[in-house]
Amino acid sequence: DAKTTQPPSMDCAEGRAANLPCNHSTISGNEYVYWYRQIHSQGPQYIIHGLKNNETNEMASLIITEDRKSSTLILPHATLRDTAVYYCIVRFAYSGAGSYQLTFGKGTKLSVIP
Amino acid sequence: GAGVSQSPSNKVTEKGKDVELRCDPISGHTALYWYRQSLGQGLEFLIYFQGNSAPDKSGLPSDRFSAERTGGSVSTLTIQRTQQEDSAVYLCASSLDAPGTGGDTQYFGPGTRLTVL
Repeated sequence: DAKTTQPPSMDCAEGRAANLPCNHSTISGNEYVYWYRQIHSQGPQYIIHGLKNNETNEMASLIITEDRKSSTLILPHATLRDTAVYYCIVRFAYSGAGSYQLTFGKGTKLSVIP
Repeated sequence: GAGVSQSPSNKVTEKGKDVELRCDPISGHTALYWYRQSLGQGLEFLIYFQGNSAPDKSGLPSDRFSAERTGGSVSTLTIQRTQQEDSAVYLCASSLDAPGTGGDTQYFGPGTRLTVL
């Protein structure tokens, strides 16, 4: 799977949009971008994923650049409960051995400040 | 709807004892995965089930670790003769469909924190 690069930490004021960037310059055409987050002492929580087009769900929006080499996760109105480590991963959309073995890098520690 | 559940949430055991960790996947999910996460570390894949079969056991660290899944639903991870290095959070995830399909997003449970004294 392609490697991703994320800033180690970010702050965001409560109520404002949190924009978390991710670089994945070696992504291939059949790799999806996935976002998970992990709140302290809890299991990872799936947020959103996409291939080429921008995606939106009840939690967040995912903006993928046209060349697919980077993406941004947007939490439109951050709350204190959004304080967590956010992981951007890329994974193949096929069932080859290991394609389902999720690995997280160091992620971005987002702190939402009152 | 109900998410993935795991029990117990915490388990403290003595070195050499056996432990069983349970995972209840989301209803209808055909694929189930076990991972573990040591303090401050990333995810370590252990095993993947499709239905009741385990096509990939490559991540099990030793023959002290085993897992089974029955009825295409509940899974149990068993660690025999526990060692201190087994201390970690054991995470279970499930996905609607098999890997490589459109429904293979993995949803995680809250984990079982295992402490071996």
